[in-house]
Amino acid sequence: QKEVEQNSGPLSVPEGAIASLNCTYSDRGSQSFFWYRQYSGKSPELIMSIYSNGDKEDGRFTAQLNKASQYVSLLIRDSQPSDSATYLCAVRSGGSYIPTFGRGTSLIVHP
Amino acid sequence: DGGITQSPKYLFRKEGQNVTLSCEQNLNHDAMYWYRQDPGQGLRLIYYSQIVNDFQKGDIAEGYSVSREKKESFPLTVTSAQKNPTAFYLCASSRGGGAHSYEQYFGPGTRLTVT
Repeated sequence: QKEVEQNSGPLSVPEGAIASLNCTYSDRGSQSFFWYRQYSGKSPELIMSIYSNGDKEDGRFTAQLNKASQYVSLLIRDSQPSDSATYLCAVRSGGSYIPTFGRGTSLIVHP
Repeated sequence: DGGITQSPKYLFRKEGQNVTLSCEQNLNHDAMYWYRQDPGQGLRLIYYSQIVNDFQKGDIAEGYSVSREKKESFPLTVTSAQKNPTAFYLCASSRGGGAHSYEQYFGPGTRLTVT
């Protein structure tokens, strides 16, 4: 059973701070890693994908992948109240094109 | 604008009735998926299709059926055999190959309530 684990939160950070969201996965053969943002009542929106070890930056978002330790994280710099949402981690194993989703971490950015 | 559309946004049905949820994409994606999301739960895969006229069961296919007669369309029927059909239904698509081929893009969802 491939598992993707996320702390459900809520993670509460002040406006302007760095929010750090973490995700661990069980399958060492995992090859693709995705972060989605889901606002309450809305559908998930892809914000980052990462495929190799290290950091990948896109604007205020940085995805970090460590395959040896089997974790992937998402950093949100200069957090804004509009970043308040649930963040879903998804992991795709080699040999499958369907990712496994975690249950998500709720992020609250307070003014 | 390219994207995925789902209709209707809200759907109310009486128990015992079949209902069909629409999903259309104009992204020219080969693969399409149906997920179900319940409060506090992750996404659960119902059915998926890699190419036209072919589809496979996901983790929770019982009580559901699909068809893939056109590349753009992947409708989901929730049958009366589905014991707990009230949920948020999400359709997604992804490319069949090439770079970023596994990135899934979601439609806006259909919220189904069965009473």
